[in-house]
Amino acid sequence: GENVEQHPSTLSVQEGDSAVIKCTYSDSASNYFPWYKQELGKGPQLIIDIRSNVGEKKDQRIAVTLNKTAKHFSLHITETQPEDSAVYFCAASVGYSTLTFGKGTMLLVSP
Amino acid sequence: DAGVIQSPRHEVTEMGQEVTLRCKPISGHDYLFWYRQTMMRGLELLIYFNNNVPIDDSGMPEDRFSAKMPNASFSTLKIQPSEPRDSAVYFCASAVVGLGEKLFFGSGTQLSVL
Repeated sequence: GENVEQHPSTLSVQEGDSAVIKCTYSDSASNYFPWYKQELGKGPQLIIDIRSNVGEKKDQRIAVTLNKTAKHFSLHITETQPEDSAVYFCAASVGYSTLTFGKGTMLLVSP
Repeated sequence: DAGVIQSPRHEVTEMGQEVTLRCKPISGHDYLFWYRQTMMRGLELLIYFNNNVPIDDSGMPEDRFSAKMPNASFSTLKIQPSEPRDSAVYFCASAVVGLGEKLFFGSGTQLSVL
């Protein structure tokens, strides 16, 4: 089955800096790569996703890049703000019924 | 819409007791998922339903776990008997094909088995 590795497990940045979280996947058939944000005491919430026919996608301060050859994808957050502090999960699947999540990255943005 | 609603938010029970977790998906969503979250194993898919029918329960850890979806607006996850290693946060999520593959998660149930 699919295996998703996520790094780093924790990431501390200063407000205004950029943050990058990286994930690798094992199943070359995976074609859907979402990122979820989980705030304390809440369930994960989708923030951005990308499909295998696209190399990069942006939404304001967040962007995701995908390298199918290397089987890795990354989340980039620019101009970080304290409210970006949360746990971020990457995932990979062939459709959401087979979604496999990474272990998560705790991002702490210090004022 | 109120989103996915889970109850209870917190459950503390003693080993050997029966535990029932409840979920109300978003109206109109035809997929429902149960996930378990622990520090060691992250987010694990336990079971999912499509149109109230269980499709894949290969993630259910053992026979002590069971899940039902008697109608489109209600699902339960039952653990009987519960064990300390079942302590985790259990999430319910729902989805609909018309919105792509986006999962909508509830706020979870924090289960502690003493």
